[in-house]
Amino acid sequence: SYVLTQPPSVSVAPGQTARITCGGNNIGSKSVHWYQQKPGQAPVLVVYDDSDRPSGIPERFSGSNSGNTATLTISRVEAGDEADYYCQVWDSSSDWVFGGGTKLTVL
Amino acid sequence: EVQLVQSGAEVKKPGESLKISCKGSGYSFTSYWIGWVRQMPGKGLEWMGIIYPGDSDTRYSPSFQGQVTISADKSISTAYLQWSSLKASDTAMYYCARQAPYGDSTFDYWGQGTLVTVSS
Repeated sequence: SYVLTQPPSVSVAPGQTARITCGGNNIGSKSVHWYQQKPGQAPVLVVYDDSDRPSGIPERFSGSNSGNTATLTISRVEAGDEADYYCQVWDSSSDWVFGGGTKLTVL
Repeated sequence: EVQLVQSGAEVKKPGESLKISCKGSGYSFTSYWIGWVRQMPGKGLEWMGIIYPGDSDTRYSPSFQGQVTISADKSISTAYLQWSSLKASDTAMYYCARQAPYGDSTFDYWGQGTLVTVSS
């Protein structure tokens, strides 16, 4: 089965840039999607197909994907960005796969 | 406006059966896959399975195959997740989500979640 690996936590000061990684075997050949989940709320799609943003998502959220690592980048981090972030791909052998999630803390 | 509205929280005993629902509105319910995702307390997201309401084509994660049943009633734009015999380990939040019309197998709209508590 296909496995996605995320760091359990990332911390960043307000106004700085947060980078959350998602590792997987040759993940660069797949389309990676990212979800934000705040406490007590359902997940929200923030980036799809590696680097596209759904309508209504700020430009501060961006993504990249190459080799064995995909990255969600949040620029000019705000207190409201504090949340859990999950990467997700579709794999032919595993279907829909989620990463374990990363807790973003805004210091 | 696209909405997925899930049924309310449930408290059940081990061995009991349960069926939770997810009602779609604001779009053509039969034209989009609906997935189910489990989130155990304090844990991450797990894909359970997915159904295409147009023809009820269904796929399951190997981890959940045989443990749950996914179905849909297109006449009332509602998808279901059901258990025949609950276990304490089924205690979790369950989300339904619509597969987006864009992107490669991503979910664009999510229900608010249904909390299932199984305890004797």
